[in-house]
Amino acid sequence: EAQVTQNPRYLITVTGKKLTVTCSQNMNHEYMSWYRQDPGLGLRQIYYSMNVEVTDKGDVPEGYKVSRKEKRNFPLILESPSPNQTSLYFCASSTRDRGSGEQYFGPGTRLTVT
Amino acid sequence: GQNIDQPTEMTATEGAIVQINCTYQTSGFNGLFWYQQHAGEAPTFLSYNVLDGLEEKGRFSSFLSRSKGYSYLLLKELQMKDSASYLCAAPGAGSYQLTFGKGTKLSVIP
Repeated sequence: EAQVTQNPRYLITVTGKKLTVTCSQNMNHEYMSWYRQDPGLGLRQIYYSMNVEVTDKGDVPEGYKVSRKEKRNFPLILESPSPNQTSLYFCASSTRDRGSGEQYFGPGTRLTVT
Repeated sequence: GQNIDQPTEMTATEGAIVQINCTYQTSGFNGLFWYQQHAGEAPTFLSYNVLDGLEEKGRFSSFLSRSKGYSYLLLKELQMKDSASYLCAAPGAGSYQLTFGKGTKLSVIP
């Protein structure tokens, strides 16, 4: 089954404790992206990657890191999480045929930073 | 990124037709997307418009006017399961950055 998986689905952590949210897709997509979704602010892009070893900043990259060492994986790293990074995070992937659209989203990771 | 605007909330009656509007900045236009998101779930792709006009896909249609920077999603024969948020999204000029509107929460009532 074609899908995007994220782990963990739920995470409660404390300020400053490094964490990684994994994202993996099995559709051989070149393009992958991370978003955060907050009430009243909608979906905002954090980082995206056009292919292996190629990443770029979205609208809200501060406090996050990403890497793309393999085509299927695109982990999101929070080196020192803060409470304002409490949010619902989505990973997504797509082919490059339509630019960055028609994305397939993972189920989401709900992160709480206390 | 793009500057995208859409209404925050709408309410419509089961069986009716509803139109959800979206406006965006026209410079560097590169296509416009609509996604559906049910509460607590991930967004799912609905439609993509890059040329002017109406594209129909079952009960859902999407319209685009590039000169006016305007799009709408038309939902016909509304069903209770259509209660969801509808997100308008557009790529930035020459880039793979994708900007979403804040979404329109549609409530379908009996």
